[in-house]
Amino acid sequence: RKEVEQDPGPFNVPEGATVAFNCTYSNSASQSFFWYRQDCRKEPKLLMSVYSSGNEDGRFTAQLNRASQYISLLIRDSKLSDSATYLCVVRNQGGKLIFGQGTELSVKP
Amino acid sequence: DAEITQSPRHKITETGRQVTLACHQTWNHNNMFWYRQDLGHGLRLIHYSYGVQDTNKGEVSDGYSVSRSNTEDLPLTLESAASSQTSVYFCASSARDRGRGAFFGQGTRLTVV
Repeated sequence: RKEVEQDPGPFNVPEGATVAFNCTYSNSASQSFFWYRQDCRKEPKLLMSVYSSGNEDGRFTAQLNRASQYISLLIRDSKLSDSATYLCVVRNQGGKLIFGQGTELSVKP
Repeated sequence: DAEITQSPRHKITETGRQVTLACHQTWNHNNMFWYRQDLGHGLRLIHYSYGVQDTNKGEVSDGYSVSRSNTEDLPLTLESAASSQTSVYFCASSARDRGRGAFFGQGTRLTVV
């Protein structure tokens, strides 16, 4: 079993749709959690950190459920520019960053 | 502004040659990582370092080595390049603070022919 698993993609949605990405992790001792965005094989860029209390940044909301070892990302009112691959990332107690396979999002006009 | 840079951005080399990919960061981060990215595999960790003189193997370290002689640099060496090492390589760095994410270089596209 992979240490970080994400929904398989691709997700194809119309502009304005709400889309949710899910991610699970296997190591209960994992310490920090993040969502990254990657465009067309460019470098991954940090989108947001994820906290148990939930956190929001504009149209993006991230949530962590430590008991279920589950992480989510919600994008509201999706834009064409949101088209990218979204990577779930877990930082373990040793400091290593473990990446999920990524979920591709394509927002259509 | 602090940054992390990789060089070269593109390289073509022959099978059997030794190749070194450079990674330089000016964030003063303790942690540095090398990943490779291939279709169908996502980002896989090759080697990582938590500080000067510290290096550790990741999940796909065979055929690769790193050294950390200062805080800023973590060069990745392919001892004897193989076609299976054709990939996009990303370097990343992060602060020791576990709540912080990592910043990535722009990547090196390596082709072994």
